[in-house]
Amino acid sequence: AQSVAQPEDQVNVAEGNPLTVKCTYSVSGNPYLFWYVQYPNRGLQFLLKYITGDNLVKGSYGFEAEFNKSQTSFHLKKPSALVSDSALYFCAVGRKFYFGSGTKLNVKP
Amino acid sequence: DVKVTQSSRYLVKRTGEKVFLECVQDMDHENMFWYRQDPGLGLRLIYFSYDVKMKEKGDIPEGYSVSREKKERFSLILESASTNQTSMYLCASSLGAGTNEQYFGPGTRLTVT
Repeated sequence: AQSVAQPEDQVNVAEGNPLTVKCTYSVSGNPYLFWYVQYPNRGLQFLLKYITGDNLVKGSYGFEAEFNKSQTSFHLKKPSALVSDSALYFCAVGRKFYFGSGTKLNVKP
Repeated sequence: DVKVTQSSRYLVKRTGEKVFLECVQDMDHENMFWYRQDPGLGLRLIYFSYDVKMKEKGDIPEGYSVSREKKERFSLILESASTNQTSMYLCASSLGAGTNEQYFGPGTRLTVT
C-alpha cells in the first residue's frame, strides 16, 4: 500500500527565515513524489516533483525539495520565506496520487 | 495553459437528491480524477479515469459514481446525496503515466441539507 504523511498540521515562520514543510512516504518500488500548494479558495497548484535523478529538486516560487531514500522523506524547503507563501501545502505520492493531510504554512511579517 | 473547469463553485442540495458535478479539461489529458477535501483529512481519491469509459475506484467510492463519455469531460454523480457528503470536491487531470503532475480545477463546495 502507498501512503504519505505530513506530521505537522501547521508551521509558523517569520518572513525572511528559512522554512521546511515535512513529508514522509511509504511506497513499494520507486516513489513518484509531488508537492502542491493551495491558496485560499483556490484549487491546488503544482510546485515540484521528484521522479528520478538528483535528490534536490527545484520548483516554482523559489521552493525546493530534498528526496532522502534512507529516511523515506521528501521535505519542502525555501531559503527565505515570504508572507505571500502563506498557504496550505500538500505532499502526494504514487501513480494514483495519494495525498497527505496538508500543512498550513503561516509566514508572519 | 491547462485549464480545468468545474460546473459550479457552490452548490446546495437536499438530502436524497441526485447530484451531478461536471469537470472539463482542455489539454487532451488521458487521466482525470475526483477528490473530496475535508479539513485534517487532506484529499481523498473518490474515482479516477485513465481513458474514455474507463474508471477505477479510489479510496472512498461508496455513494458515488462517475461517467466519462468524452475524453475532456468527467462527471461525478451522487446517487442520493447525504449530509456526510457535504465537502469540497476537486477535479484534476494529468497526462498518461503517474510521473506527470496533476492540474486542478477551482473546486465545488457542496452543502447537503
